Amino acid sequence: DIQMTQSPSILSASVGDRVTITCRASQSIIKWLAWYQQKPGKAPNLLISKASSLESGVPSRFSGNGSGTEFTLTISNLQPDDFATYYCQQYNIYSRTFGQGTKVEI
Amino acid sequence: QVQLVQSGAEVKKPGDSVKVSCKTSGYTFTSYSISWVRQAPGQGLEWMGWFSANNAKANVVQKFQDRVTMTTDTSTATAYMELRSLRSDDTAVYYCARVYNAYAPSLYWGQGTLVTVSS
Repeated sequence: DIQMTQSPSILSASVGDRVTITCRASQSIIKWLAWYQQKPGKAPNLLISKASSLESGVPSRFSGNGSGTEFTLTISNLQPDDFATYYCQQYNIYSRTFGQGTKVEI
Repeated sequence: QVQLVQSGAEVKKPGDSVKVSCKTSGYTFTSYSISWVRQAPGQGLEWMGWFSANNAKANVVQKFQDRVTMTTDTSTATAYMELRSLRSDDTAVYYCARVYNAYAPSLYWGQGTLVTVSS
């Protein structure tokens, strides 16, 4: 099974900051990686697919990068609405695995 | 518009079974699969598996294979996930999510169903 490891687990930041979350796969997943944002009591919201493709309606301050085993999610100019938990997820024909999550807090 | 509406919260005792439903609308049900994901209180997301509404085939994570049954009812465009032999650590919010194919993540999700297992 492919394991996904996110870091950091908690990220303290301020409005206006640029923050980066890292996700590492235990084996190459090429570019089959998604990023989700989740707020308390809500279902996850898809931000980015295929490592770097921004979903429709997602602000351009979100960006994804990477391929193979190492990926990043960057939020530039952090806004109050961005304080949430972020998850990476690999997806392929056999399985889907989430990282353990990164909580972005004030 | 695409909607996935899940059944309401459940309280079960250890050893019981629970069946969560996910009623879909706004798209051709048999063109997609349904993934099931759970989240224990204060914990991360855990993918349980998916079920193809097209060919009625399931792909269930090994740890759940002996306790989970995923099905669909194409006449009502509804997906079901049954979890048997419940334990306290099965207490979680269970989500359904639409899957287009193996190489697409889930854009549309249900609102979640809280299953509480307690004696």
